[in-house]
Amino acid sequence: EDKVVQSPLSLVVHEGDTVTLNCSYEVTNFRSLLWYKQEKKAPTFLFMLTSSGIEKKSGRLSSILDKKELFSILNITATQTGDSAVYLCAIRQGGSEKLVFGKGTKLTVNP
Amino acid sequence: EPEVTQTPSHQVTQMGQEVILRCVPISNHLYFYWYRQILGQKVEFLVSFYNNEISEKSEIFDDQFSVERPDGSNFTLKIRSTKLEDSAMYFCASSEFMGYNSPLHFGNGTRLTVT
Repeated sequence: EDKVVQSPLSLVVHEGDTVTLNCSYEVTNFRSLLWYKQEKKAPTFLFMLTSSGIEKKSGRLSSILDKKELFSILNITATQTGDSAVYLCAIRQGGSEKLVFGKGTKLTVNP
Repeated sequence: EPEVTQTPSHQVTQMGQEVILRCVPISNHLYFYWYRQILGQKVEFLVSFYNNEISEKSEIFDDQFSVERPDGSNFTLKIRSTKLEDSAMYFCASSEFMGYNSPLHFGNGTRLTVT
C-alpha cells in the first residue's frame, strides 16, 4: 500500500504557466517531507518541510505543508522549459532514517 | 557546490557475477545511503550507514548485498551474485546530520544492467 501518493502522475504545460503538484501521505509518526527534482540522473534537493503552514520559497518554486490534512504542494510559477523533470516527494518517519518516495510527477513544459 | 560522485556511470555484468559500485560522499557528511530505482518505478531505500556500521536496511538488502567504507572517502555497495532483477539505477546519497533536519544529497547514479 502506497504511503506517499503524488498527483498528477504527469502534466504538460506551456512556458509561462503556473503549476501545482500534489503530494499526500499516510504515515505514523511523520517527521519531514522533502521535494526533489529529478532530471536525467540524480534527484536534486528542493525543499524540506517539517512544520505546517510555513511556506518555503526558492525563486519561482515554493512549497507548503499541511500536517492536519497530510499533504504538501509544490508550486512553480512562470514555468520554463528547464523545469521539465520528474518531481519527487518523499517522507521521513520518526525512528527511521529512510526516505519513502512517491512515484513522482512528470512535468513537461513546452515552449 | 560539493557533490556526491559515483562510479561507474554504467556497469554491465553477467548474472551471477559480483559487482562493486563506488561512491564518494560529500566530505563533511557523516551519514551515507544507497537507494535504487528500477526503470519506471519508485526510488527505494536499501541501506543507511553511519560510524562504520549499518544503521538501517530494507528487506531488499539481503545477504547478497554489503556496504563498506574502506577509507576516509569512499563508500561502496557490493552485490555478490547479481540477478536479472538487480538491474536498476543505484543512487548513493549522503547527509550531514542524522534524520529529520538533514536533507539527503544524491549522486548521479550507476546504471547496473545484468544480462
